[in-house]
Amino acid sequence: DAGITQSPRYKITETGRQVTLMCHQTWSHSYMFWYRQDLGHGLRLIYYSAAADITDKGEVPDGYVVSRSKTENFPLTLESATRSQTSVYFCASGAAGGNTIYFGEGSWLTVV
Amino acid sequence: SQQGEEDPQALSIQEGENATMNCSYKTSINNLQWYRQNSGRGLVHLILIRSNEREKHSGRLRVTLDTSKKSSSLLITASRAADTASYFCATDPNTGNQFYFGTGTSLTVIP
Repeated sequence: DAGITQSPRYKITETGRQVTLMCHQTWSHSYMFWYRQDLGHGLRLIYYSAAADITDKGEVPDGYVVSRSKTENFPLTLESATRSQTSVYFCASGAAGGNTIYFGEGSWLTVV
Repeated sequence: SQQGEEDPQALSIQEGENATMNCSYKTSINNLQWYRQNSGRGLVHLILIRSNEREKHSGRLRVTLDTSKKSSSLLITASRAADTASYFCATDPNTGNQFYFGTGTSLTVIP
C-alpha cells in the first residue's frame, strides 16, 4: 500500500536551476496539495488541485509552477531556484468532500 | 495569511501528565483538524471536529472548539514518551477543501 510517494526525498541544487519535485498517489483522490515547511512558519500552502487540469494558488505560490495532467500525479516545479526556496516540501492528497488529507514523507530541498 | 497559530510553541512534560495545546485561527471554518508530525516525517491525521461541534474525543485525545473565539484546544491525557512530536491544527475555510496549518506545538514527553 504505497499511498502517497514523493521523489526525490533529498535534493541539492544550485541557484537558478530548474527543479521538479514529484508526487504520486494511489488512492485516486481528487484533491492534491503542495506545502512547504520552514522553521517559524509551520506549513504553508503553495498550490492545490481539485482535479486533473484544475489547479489554484495557495498562500505562497510565487516562484513555483504546478501541473496535473493525471489524477495521480502532481509535480511541483521551481523554474529558477532561489536560496529562499530551501525548505522541506510536502505533498498531500484528499478525497473530494473528505475531511482528511494524507501526507507524503517530504522532499528536503537545499538550494546553494 | 490564513494560518492558525498554536500555543505554546514548545511544551515539555513528564510522562503521565496531561498536555494541552491551543490553536487560534482567523476565518470562519467548516472544520478543524489536528495532525501530528514525528521528527523527519510527514503529518498524520489525529482528529477532526466540525464547526457545529464543541467537543470530541478519540482515545486519549480530547479536542474542543469555540467558534466564537476562533480557537481550539487539544488535550492529550496520560502522556507517553511516544507522544513526543509536533502537533499542528489545520483549518478548512468555508471556501472549502483548502487546508491551512498553524505553526505547530513541539511536545516533549520526558520518560
